Amino acid sequence: AQSVAQPEDQVNVAEGNPLTVKCTYSVSGNPYLFWYVQYPNRGLQFLLKYITGDNLVKGSYGFEAEFNKSQTSFHLKKPSALVSDSALYFCAVRDYMNRDDKIIFGKGTRLHILP
Amino acid sequence: EAQVTQNPRYLITVTGKKLTVTCSQNMNHEYMSWYRQDPGLGLRQIYYSMNVEVTDKGDVPEGYKVSRKEKRNFPLILESPSPNQTSLYFCASSTRGLHTEAFFGQGTRLTVV
Repeated sequence: AQSVAQPEDQVNVAEGNPLTVKCTYSVSGNPYLFWYVQYPNRGLQFLLKYITGDNLVKGSYGFEAEFNKSQTSFHLKKPSALVSDSALYFCAVRDYMNRDDKIIFGKGTRLHILP
Repeated sequence: EAQVTQNPRYLITVTGKKLTVTCSQNMNHEYMSWYRQDPGLGLRQIYYSMNVEVTDKGDVPEGYKVSRKEKRNFPLILESPSPNQTSLYFCASSTRGLHTEAFFGQGTRLTVV
């Protein structure tokens, strides 16, 4: 079965510093990986996705993610954190096996950007 | 504007009183899904639908029902709510396929007392 794991419940970063939110995956076949962000009192918003091609994927709000097949990782990154980046981040994989079509989420990582 | 609309946003109800949370999307998406979000557990899928009149159980379907009579609507029904169904609920929609991202509603915070 497909799965993603986010090893950190919370990440604290000082404003202006680079940030990394970690995600590892376990999939059979080609991985289709996503990052979503949830701001307080809001639904999830799509940030970026890896389908194929370049290992560095660029997304919304200056975020990017690095796909690493040998380490089965898809870490979310940003060169310079903003206080407004504070939110809950979810890594996800889409699982399409037989008749099933599911989106499987990690448990989320809360990102705190300290002023 | 492309969106997924859930109602109500907040709901407090009593144990056993049937309720429905509505979800509607305006993007002509085939796929719709319901999730519940609980602290420490992330998002867990309740039910999903790959098209009209096609629904399937997710990981935590007990105590919930859904229907998909029209493409745009996917209501979540709690026939007899219990306190352990107190949670934050999200509806999502997307096109079919491994590479497509989902669009989410704003969420419904349900409290069952």
